[in-house]
Order: sequence, then C-alpha cells, then structure tokens
Amino acid sequence: EIVLTQSPGTLSLSPGERATLSCRASQSVSSNFLAWYQQKPGQAPRLLIYGASSRATGVPDRFSGSGSGTDFTLTISRLEPEDFAVYYCQQYGSSPRTFGPGTKVEIK
Amino acid sequence: EVQLLESGGGLVQPGGSLRLSCAASGFSFSFYGLHWVRQAPGKGLEWLSSIGGSGGRTYYADSVRGRFTISRDNSKNTLYLQMNSLRAEDTAIYYCAKDPTKVADYYFDYWGQGTLVTVSS
Repeated sequence: EIVLTQSPGTLSLSPGERATLSCRASQSVSSNFLAWYQQKPGQAPRLLIYGASSRATGVPDRFSGSGSGTDFTLTISRLEPEDFAVYYCQQYGSSPRTFGPGTKVEIK
Repeated sequence: EVQLLESGGGLVQPGGSLRLSCAASGFSFSFYGLHWVRQAPGKGLEWLSSIGGSGGRTYYADSVRGRFTISRDNSKNTLYLQMNSLRAEDTAIYYCAKDPTKVADYYFDYWGQGTLVTVSS
C-alpha cells in the first residue's frame, strides 16, 4: 500500500499570499495518478486536480498541480478567502487507493 | 448537473447492519464506476469500495472486506452499500463518489454530501 505524507500539517497564510502544499508518496505513483481535493467544514470533498497537474472542471487557474514519481505539489498562486480549507492528496495508481492525512490552510 | 444523494445512515448497535443508498442523477449512470469513501469524525478520508459501471467488478479495502458489500441497480440509478457486523470504528460520514470512467479505477470527480453512520450501544 502506498502511504502518502502531506506537509505541512497546517499552513497559516493571509489572503493574497501563495500557498505551496506537498504530498510525498512512499513509492512511485504509477503514471502520476495523483489527485488533489479541497474540503471545507461540513462539506464533501471537491476534486481540484487529477493526473498530478490537470485541473478539474470549473477549478480556478490559481490552483495548479505539479510533480512526478514520489513528490507532488499543489500551489495556490494567490489565496482567496474561499480557499481556506483542508486539502487532501490521493493516489489512484495502485490498489488500494490511498489518501494523505491532509493539510489545513488557515487564515493567519 | 451531476447529483449524488446518500441516505440510510443512522445509529446502529455494534454487530448490527445497515444499508446505505446513493441516488444519482445528471449523468448516464451505467456508464460510470462508483465508489464509497468514509470520513471518521475529525479524521481524514478512507476509500472503502468501488464498483464498475456494469456491476460486474467490485473492489474492497481490507478494513471492510467480508463485512461490506457494494452493489448497484442501474435501472434505478442507485448505488448501495450493505454493511454488516458493524463496529465502533465504522462510525463515520459515508460518501458516495463517481469515477470519471466505467472501470472505477481512477479518482473521484463528484461526491455526494454524505450520510452519518454511528455505531454505538
């Protein structure tokens, strides 16, 4: 089973700042099959990125994904008030699908 | 618009059973794989089970294999999760989610709002 580690656990930033979230896999993620989700309190997760770098439908272009192999990054270029949430990475390159523990982006 | 609406959650005693349903609309139901994912209170996400569009292929996490059964009724556009031998650690919000393909091998592009299952005496 691929274990995903996300860092930092919490990121304290101000609106307008750049957020860089890391997701590291215990082994190489096949075909860079890595997704990122955003979850706000009391809501279901929302798909942001799939295939490591492809934005899902309707996702603003301030969200971008990069990386390959074992190291992946989600970048939010300029934080908007609605971007403060928990972000999860998930690999679907091998079974079982696994999620990282999440990074909370909070208002500083 | 894709919509997924879970139901069937509630309070159940340890060792008991519950069947969750997920009613889908806004897409060609039988053309897509579906999944169940859960989230324990204050915790992260855990994939549980997947089923292909035709219902012929199913997959389970080790934590629920042998206790939970995923199924679908393509005539009713509904996904199910039969949960038996429930334990306290099964307490969670249960989400159904859609796969972008028929084979249920990928990521989760749409999610329902979830249904809460509480296992307690």
